[in-house]
Amino acid sequence: KAGVTQTPRYLIKTRGQQVTLSCSPISGHRSVSWYQQTPGQGLQFLFEYFSETQRNKGNFPGRFSGRQFSNSRSEMNVSTLELGDSALYLCASSETDRGNEQFFGPGTRLTVL
Amino acid sequence: DAKTTQPTSMDCAEGRAANLPCNHSTISGNEYVYWYRQIHSQGPQYIIHGLKNNETNEMASLIITEDRKSSTLILPHATLRDTAVYYCIVRVAVSYDKVIFGPGTSLSVIP
Repeated sequence: KAGVTQTPRYLIKTRGQQVTLSCSPISGHRSVSWYQQTPGQGLQFLFEYFSETQRNKGNFPGRFSGRQFSNSRSEMNVSTLELGDSALYLCASSETDRGNEQFFGPGTRLTVL
Repeated sequence: DAKTTQPTSMDCAEGRAANLPCNHSTISGNEYVYWYRQIHSQGPQYIIHGLKNNETNEMASLIITEDRKSSTLILPHATLRDTAVYYCIVRVAVSYDKVIFGPGTSLSVIP
């Protein structure tokens, strides 16, 4: 099976713009989680989707949002970008909602200038 | 905050076993111990997880103490490609339980 794919891999935006990142989970996986990784804060949980429903959300402002489609693909959106949003955004998928390990994608490196 | 504590860094000679400790003294009865690793600039990679019994797979072994307050990840024959940051995490085994990563242990495998 193909692994988790994320597009784009690299992105450069300016302050105030908005951005949409995409994640395609492993075929058959229905749960998708998003994480932000920065050198200062490490890996931080953003939100998790299962069957198109957001079931958990981390401590991030409302500028960060996401959604999941019926084919389990997910997108996350960041509006009104700030310099501090520069980070590696990671998507992880798991097969079901019970006891399964998460498989991470390679991430999208977002740079905000 | 992360529920685990790990040493900041460790070295291991190539070909020797790497033993990475993790303390999780406040672990709950329904929380599993998971290990991931992250090689520079890549997404984290799942290694192994367990509840209370020792576990082994093709990558590593996980030894959990009887009181479940600590565990050790063992890479039996470390190679240079095992150089990475290793994260020990405790979480309930449902996907919507947020995964809280601590700073992890930076393992350097030395030739």
